[in-house]
Amino acid sequence: DQQVKQNSPSLSVQEGRISILNCDYTNSMFDYFLWYKKYPAEGPTFLISISSIKDKNEDGRFTVFLNKSAKHLSLHIVPSQPGDSAVYFCAASARGSQGNLIFGKGTKLSVKP
Amino acid sequence: KAGVTQTPRYLIKTRGQQVTLSCSPISGHRSVSWYQQTPGQGLQFLFEYFSETQRNKGNFPGRFSGRQFSNSRSEMNVSTLELGDSALYLCASSWGPSGRPDTQYFGPGTRLTVL
Repeated sequence: DQQVKQNSPSLSVQEGRISILNCDYTNSMFDYFLWYKKYPAEGPTFLISISSIKDKNEDGRFTVFLNKSAKHLSLHIVPSQPGDSAVYFCAASARGSQGNLIFGKGTKLSVKP
Repeated sequence: KAGVTQTPRYLIKTRGQQVTLSCSPISGHRSVSWYQQTPGQGLQFLFEYFSETQRNKGNFPGRFSGRQFSNSRSEMNVSTLELGDSALYLCASSWGPSGRPDTQYFGPGTRLTVL
């Protein structure tokens, strides 16, 4: 049973517009959430994280929103750039098990010039 | 500061053989986690070591094992290789203290092909 779900396998956005990537989770023990960007045959690159005590975290063009009651988080990229084209993974860790990240299946983002 | 390094980057083995992969964490990081990535299953957690002790373990058979050395470097071993073990094996390091949210940083991975 998938504890972290990214229901959109792909997303296409025009350069300069907003990209919104979504993630849902089922485990209420998750207390830390992360987004990674990944290119084929490379390791994931950390983008941004959020602790369960917050509902928003910003870093430059990237903002993550957390809605604990809905068990939902989203990554906003504004403005989107062609270099943002990659697979984005949502990941979560549970209290007392922070060495173990549970990943979603990923969303492939394509930003068109 | 140097990132996470993994060696070798590519490996080709045949069924029944064994393989050892190596990971050097970011300097100062004491936790090393290993993941397997396959097209069908995505990224799956194998195990995590902290201060030379296995702290967490995923749902993989005993053929998959690991260890961590006093300098935090880690190795992963897979014995009696099967075709289904073909995957990208990723290592991630983090500072690692218990009870606190911790960000993992990934290496480039080792691509293992089993023939």
